[in-house]
Amino acid sequence: DTEVTQTPKHLVMGMTNKKSLKCEQHMGHRAMYWYKQKAKKPPELMFVYSYEKLSINESVPSRFSPECPNSSLLNLHLHALQPEDSALYLCASSQDGARPTDTQYFGPGTRLTVL
Amino acid sequence: AQKITQTQPGMFVQEKEAVTLDCTYDTSDPSYGLFWYKQPSSGEMIFLIYQGSYDQQNATEGRYSLNFQKARKSANLVISASQLGDSAMYFCAMRGMFSGGYNKLIFGAGTRLAVHP
Repeated sequence: DTEVTQTPKHLVMGMTNKKSLKCEQHMGHRAMYWYKQKAKKPPELMFVYSYEKLSINESVPSRFSPECPNSSLLNLHLHALQPEDSALYLCASSQDGARPTDTQYFGPGTRLTVL
Repeated sequence: AQKITQTQPGMFVQEKEAVTLDCTYDTSDPSYGLFWYKQPSSGEMIFLIYQGSYDQQNATEGRYSLNFQKARKSANLVISASQLGDSAMYFCAMRGMFSGGYNKLIFGAGTRLAVHP
């Protein structure tokens, strides 16, 4: 089973709102990722968690706050976003992120619109 | 610097025919992985196929095969017997010991494939 689930599928929020994106996997993977994808562009890495510790932050603004409560869950907390943050947010997981063979499996994404 | 190049923004193919999507890469690392993903309009990134830098044989997964030419630094995806459901964006990606370690997957710009009946 190579399923990564994400909720919600769609989210519309105002610039003063606080919301969270959720990601879950039950493959026993120990590395989890958040990507941001704008239309007609490839995904851009935002954060990487390895063994529940934040290992990579690609200089993401602080209005995005990741959280990894346990090895199966990954959250992305959103606060005071800007309209340019509207995008598809993809979550992925992989076995442990330590080898070049480590395949990342993606969830269906959350389409975020910031008004 | 590590880089993935997909030079075909769009391709079309007749149903049941084969199509090749091009991908070239640049890296100085000896150990790396090459991946192809499919992204339909629904948005999900679907893993298709993987090739390791030390693999001697080209990878195959069902109708997908990866034409790996290490000396030319190319990793083209071949889809045989195209189906209407193959219409999607296809991304070539590379993973290796870049800044941040193996965790970082870098993507090409993508190729949009349209399969015509």
